[in-house]
Amino acid sequence: GAVVSQHPSWVICKSGTSVKIECRSLDFQATTMFWYRQFPKQSLMLMATSNEGSKATYEQGVEKDKFLINHASLTLSTLTVTSAHPEDSSFYICSASQGGRSPTQYFGPGTRLLVL
Amino acid sequence: GENVEQHPSTLSVQEGDSAVIKCTYSDSASNYFPWYKQELGKRPQLIIDIRSNVGEKKDQRIAVTLNKTAKHFSLHITETQPEDSAVYFCAAGLGGSSNTGKLIFGQGTTLQVKP
Repeated sequence: GAVVSQHPSWVICKSGTSVKIECRSLDFQATTMFWYRQFPKQSLMLMATSNEGSKATYEQGVEKDKFLINHASLTLSTLTVTSAHPEDSSFYICSASQGGRSPTQYFGPGTRLLVL
Repeated sequence: GENVEQHPSTLSVQEGDSAVIKCTYSDSASNYFPWYKQELGKRPQLIIDIRSNVGEKKDQRIAVTLNKTAKHFSLHITETQPEDSAVYFCAAGLGGSSNTGKLIFGQGTTLQVKP
């Protein structure tokens, strides 16, 4: 149980284009989903927290207009990197939590983004 | 702001030895402390977690201890095996129905178990 999928697993795009990443909880309802960014050999940096049906809460320093997050249902959240630039190249990982008394976060497999 | 410090950054042990990784947290309100294992290129996997009302928890070769007064918690792996080699992350957060469940992660420890 507690499986989270993420799509695509990797993407290469041209500078200036937008990229959408999907995060799905396959066998449970995720009240809250989290988006992280991970640089090589570094820790997980929380970008934003999203709750189903409400606006995402972004961490300090994360541009909300650049990283658009939508959590339209209890099983799906999307991250759109708008007008991507080479410095946006990174490993993006989502996690999902049932919330409430069950704070455990289950992670997706990640999406490797390369912006040329 | 909230912060989690993790040490050491790298740890090399011989197969069969024990490994200990330590973390300290800054937010005294934190009540949930998970540990994740991440193999190269893969997702972080939860290996054990502990809540603030418990001082110690054990699952086979893995144990976690929590000292709320000192605001630190540790991961203990006994009888290490080569397949334990990975990056381990500690995290601290707030669980409960009125909280977001947001986690703050430590910097990670690269564990190498030599055969």
